Amino acid sequence: EAAVTQSPRNKVAVTGGKVTLSCNQTNNHNNMYWYRQDTGHGLRLIHYSYGAGSTEKGDIPDGYKASRPSQENFSLILELATPSQTSVYFCASGDDWGDEQYFGPGTRLTVL
Amino acid sequence: GQQVQQSPASLVLQEGENAELQCNFSSTATQLQWFYQSPGGSLVSLLSNPSGTKHTGRLTSTTVTKERRSSLHISSSQTTDSGTYLCAIASNTNKVVFGTGTRLQVLP
Repeated sequence: EAAVTQSPRNKVAVTGGKVTLSCNQTNNHNNMYWYRQDTGHGLRLIHYSYGAGSTEKGDIPDGYKASRPSQENFSLILELATPSQTSVYFCASGDDWGDEQYFGPGTRLTVL
Repeated sequence: GQQVQQSPASLVLQEGENAELQCNFSSTATQLQWFYQSPGGSLVSLLSNPSGTKHTGRLTSTTVTKERRSSLHISSSQTTDSGTYLCAIASNTNKVVFGTGTRLQVLP
């Protein structure tokens, strides 16, 4: 069974602070993805990666950076958090774009 | 870019009734995946069905690629089926686009 974990599960941050969301997958998948989910918008792709060392911009990358230091780990970084970044963030992994994606449990981020 | 429309937006059923969920997309899809999301929970893949018909348990998905539509049929619904059903499309633009989902409530 595919396994994707995220930490932290819940986070409260202050405006202007730095936030790092972490994702780990044990599936040896090449691709990893960061999405945010908001009411009325569904899931939107922020950044993705094809493998260790690669990061690519998704549909809504502004205000976010990503880091893929290894096959297993993919981080999402908010250098200067803003209240508009309050959301639920999901990480996913998959072998290729055409293959199934496996999702982590999500991180609920609140920026005050 | 690719757009994914799901209908209905919400659906309320009595336990035992069947549900039919629709997903329409604007461009050619190389992959189509149906997900279930429990309230406040993560996404669980139900079916991967880019074309044709697939069954698993009480679920049947039919995708007609040329018409850019897919359906998810849930037979004999149960209260535990309540949640949000999401359709996701991958295309040759190398992006995955999600619909906004159908919220299903099954009453006892």
